[in-house]
Amino acid sequence: SYVLTQPPSVSEAPGRTARITCGGNNVGDKSVHWYQQKPGQAPVLVIYYDSARPSGIPERFSGSKSGNTATLTINRVEAGDEADYYCQVRDSSSDHWVFGGGTKLTVL
Amino acid sequence: EVQLVESGGGLVQPGGSLRLSCAASGFTFSSYAMSWVRQAPGKGLEWVSSISGDGYITYYADSVKGRFTISRDNSKNTLYLQMTGLRVDDTAVYYCAKGPSIFFGDYWGQGTLVTFSS
Repeated sequence: SYVLTQPPSVSEAPGRTARITCGGNNVGDKSVHWYQQKPGQAPVLVIYYDSARPSGIPERFSGSKSGNTATLTINRVEAGDEADYYCQVRDSSSDHWVFGGGTKLTVL
Repeated sequence: EVQLVESGGGLVQPGGSLRLSCAASGFTFSSYAMSWVRQAPGKGLEWVSSISGDGYITYYADSVKGRFTISRDNSKNTLYLQMTGLRVDDTAVYYCAKGPSIFFGDYWGQGTLVTFSS
């Protein structure tokens, strides 16, 4: 089955840029979606179809892909951005959703 | 405003059954695919099942196939997950999520917890 790999944790100081990666075989051929989950809360979609941003999501959040890696970039990181972030794709061989293991973003 | 409210979780014994519901409002329910995603305590997200807007297309994770059944009642704006043969490793918060696509979710409910009694 398809596997997405994320770093378990990323730390960044306020005002700096945080980058969370999501690696998978041929991820460049797939649409990647990103979710933010704060403690005790439901996930929130922050990026869909690789780089589109839902209404209400700050422009500081952006998505990109290069080769076998997708990246969620958060510019000018704020304390309120501390959360777990998950990437997700569709496994085209099974039509199943696949999530990465999640990355905990800590704002120092 | 899109609202998704899950219910039906609770304490269950191994081998038991439970039916989860997700009441939807704020959008034309029948026009959108819906999904269930679960999260075991302290763990990541795990997709469970998805259903098309008309209910004719369904997908299941291998871990629940044959034990869980997803369905919807578009006249009641409600999504269901019938769970049978429950196992201890089914312990999780179960979230329902609205499509824009059957392959990802743009709005999520607050979840309902399924736990096991010893």
